[in-house]
Order: sequence, then structure tokens, then C-alpha cells
Amino acid sequence: DAGVIQSPRHEVTEMGQEVTLRCKPISGHDYLFWYRQTMMRGLELLIYFNNNVPIDDSGMPEDRFSAKMPNASFSTLKIQPSEPRDSAVYFCASSAGETQYFGPGTRLLVL
Amino acid sequence: KQEVTQIPAALSVPEGENLVLNCSFTDSAIYNLQWFRQDPGKGLTSLLLIQSSQREQTSGRLNASLDKSSGRSTLYIAASQPGDSATYLCAVRRQGQNFVFGPGTRLSVLP
Repeated sequence: DAGVIQSPRHEVTEMGQEVTLRCKPISGHDYLFWYRQTMMRGLELLIYFNNNVPIDDSGMPEDRFSAKMPNASFSTLKIQPSEPRDSAVYFCASSAGETQYFGPGTRLLVL
Repeated sequence: KQEVTQIPAALSVPEGENLVLNCSFTDSAIYNLQWFRQDPGKGLTSLLLIQSSQREQTSGRLNASLDKSSGRSTLYIAASQPGDSATYLCAVRRQGQNFVFGPGTRLSVLP
């Protein structure tokens, strides 16, 4: 298996633009997690899904953030409109048990 | 609210040394604890998972211990190598809840 796949790997955008981050989990995993990592706040859980259903989105910072999982092999995290403080590395992870497998991350810079 | 701290924030050692990384958590009612490794520009890789009923886990040169009552875990790395250079994060979880991550210890092993 190729592991968790994320795209794009890098994204530079201007404030106010819409940003869509994509994730393909490991086949057979029934949990999918979106995390954000910054120097100031470390690694924070934004939202997680179980069997494509959002279970806990209490970590989503604002209504500007939304996440979907239309099927077992694809998830998106959307920011609209984006702001400079959204600049961070966004990780997707999947699991079938206790161990989470992380993707390489998307490094987002909002100017 | 669970808080996780890691000391030291950074550590530099010569190759071949044995070393200990520390993780502390405020709520001892944990379900399990996991140690991760993060290489620069990459996602996290799970190293060891300790269930609340266990006191330690070993994998190769790595040994992780857990003392729930004192809210502490240590990661022991034997005979360190330059390839061990990375950031090491611990994460704790209560049953039914998600992982809370520490800020990490950045390790440099000098050849």
C-alpha cells in the first residue's frame, strides 16, 4: 500500500481565497483524522470520521473550515475564505485500530 | 483538560550514547500512550503504543515505559545513531477520546 496520500504537498494562496486539501486514506481503514500543526500550538486534531461519518468536529476552529468524506477512499478539508493565521501544515491520518498512519502533510501558506 | 508536556524541548548527543526522552501528562486516567517520530517535512510515524495496563514496551533499541500514577512516560533510546535524529512526540488518549499530543523533543545525534 502507498500509505496515506495527501495533495497538494504545498499550497501558497492569497488571503480570501478558497483552499481545498485532499486525502486518500489507506485502504481498509475505517477512521480518518485531520490535524493541523503549527509552531505555536503544536499538533491539533480538527475533525475525525468513522466509516465516512463525521464523529467529532469540535477542533474545527471556525465556520470557515469544513470537511467531507464522500466515500471510504477520499476526504477533503476546505477553508473558505482563507486567512494568514491558517498558515500551517495540515496532516491527514487513517487507522483501523489504535495506531494512526499519517500522510506527508500539506504545507499551507496564506499571504 | 488533558495537557501533555515534553522535556527537554531539544537534545543534542554524540553518536553511541544512550538517552531518555520524557513525557508528562496531567490526567492519569488514560487509555493508552503512544510515541511517534517525525522527520523534517514529513508526517508522524508510530514507534510504540503502551496500553494503560502495561508498564513498558520495547522495539529494537527503543524502550518506552509508563507510570500512570505519576503521569509520566519515558522513551529510552539505546546506542543512538545519526539516523535517530528527528522530533519525538508522545500522545495520550482517554477511552472514547482522541489523542492529545505533546510539543515534541527535537533530537540531534552527532556523528
